[in-house]
Amino acid sequence: TQLLEQSPQFLSIQEGENLTVYCNSSSVFSSLQWYRQEPGEGPVLLVTVVTGGEVKKLKRLTFQFGDARKDSSLHITAAQPGDTGLYLCAGAKDSNSGYALNFGKGTSLLVTP
Amino acid sequence: DAGVTQSPTHLIKTRGQQVTLRCSPKSGHDTVSWYQQALGQGPQFIFQYYEEEERQRGNFPDRFSGHQFPNYSSELNVNALLLGDSALYLCASRVWGMGGSYEQYFGPGTRLTVT
Repeated sequence: TQLLEQSPQFLSIQEGENLTVYCNSSSVFSSLQWYRQEPGEGPVLLVTVVTGGEVKKLKRLTFQFGDARKDSSLHITAAQPGDTGLYLCAGAKDSNSGYALNFGKGTSLLVTP
Repeated sequence: DAGVTQSPTHLIKTRGQQVTLRCSPKSGHDTVSWYQQALGQGPQFIFQYYEEEERQRGNFPDRFSGHQFPNYSSELNVNALLLGDSALYLCASRVWGMGGSYEQYFGPGTRLTVT
């Protein structure tokens, strides 16, 4: 059972478009991480958000943590073909769970030139 | 600085066999976690090792076991393989980040195919 629901599941856009990926849960997380994964490789950490309402920017990527720390979003401005990949959100609960990560199923993004 | 490394890269086994996967964490990281990622799914937490002991375990049967060595490297063992065990097995090591939370770094994974 996935604690985190990601939407959309698939997204195909053209270079230069903007997009937003959502990550929702009914559970509260102490932190939430976003990863990007290429086929056949391990996930690569993009950002960690910790505080409710927090916004972090990484070049053209903007990450937001919901006020209640149950949801998050990833916004990409002017997408490029190099942004293609599987975007995964993962939440860590607390020390009782060892901060093990609970992952969503991911959003598969394809950016065409 | 080497990242998380895993071996082997690919493995093909027959149903009922046993398999051992290996992981070396990033330098300075002492906690190792294992995840299973089935095709089209997000990774699922198997277990976590710290100070050579299993500290946390996800919803996986006892056929899945592990070990951590004094140098923090780790092994994942799976007995009596089932077809459903076919997946990408990911190892992750973690560090307390400057943002006030743990950050987990993943290896490239081992692709296990059970026939």
